[in-house]
Amino acid sequence: GDSVTQMEGPVTLSEEAFLTINCTYTATGYPSLFWYVQYPGEGLQLLLKATKADDKGSNKGFEATYRKETTSFHLEKGSVQVSDSAVYFCALSEENALNFGKGTSLLVTP
Amino acid sequence: EAEVAQSPRYKITEKSQAVAFWCDPISGHATLYWYRQILGQGPELLVQFQDESVVDDSQLPKDRFSAERLKGVDSTLKIQPAELGDSAMYLCASSPDTEAFFGQGTRLTVV
Repeated sequence: GDSVTQMEGPVTLSEEAFLTINCTYTATGYPSLFWYVQYPGEGLQLLLKATKADDKGSNKGFEATYRKETTSFHLEKGSVQVSDSAVYFCALSEENALNFGKGTSLLVTP
Repeated sequence: EAEVAQSPRYKITEKSQAVAFWCDPISGHATLYWYRQILGQGPELLVQFQDESVVDDSQLPKDRFSAERLKGVDSTLKIQPAELGDSAMYLCASSPDTEAFFGQGTRLTVV
């Protein structure tokens, strides 16, 4: 079945550092790919998405490119802020409910 | 901005008791999901509705869990009897297409 694998955390970075969180997927067809963010005690918020190969999703300085050849959707940000500290979930959807990865916790220190 | 509403935010219940959660999706969203998120894990689908019909409940423990979406709008998820292992965050989401919008969740603690 469809699945998502993302790098394990926690990831700890200093403010203004470069961020990469790896995500790879397995799917039978052509899924849509998503990154969601979850702040402590809250529900999930959509960060960005891409619906077809080579699409780049972007929001709030975060980017991810849908790479069909490597079945990947890695999340990147050039300069993280303390306020980016949260748990990040990679997810896919193939005409149905979202399948989530296990999440990667990010802590950004001043 | 329209939001998915869930209540209660927090619930503490004793094992073997019944507990219910309520969700009001964004108006016009035909698809509604209930997810369970155990601490430190990603959300896992429990049930998916399209309007008032169940599309997927293959991961719903039907001996103790039930879900309904009468009239295809708001939805209720019930657990009876609750077990210690049911302690988790229960998330409701609604969707107009493939993008899902989540509520703030109900944190359930079974003691």
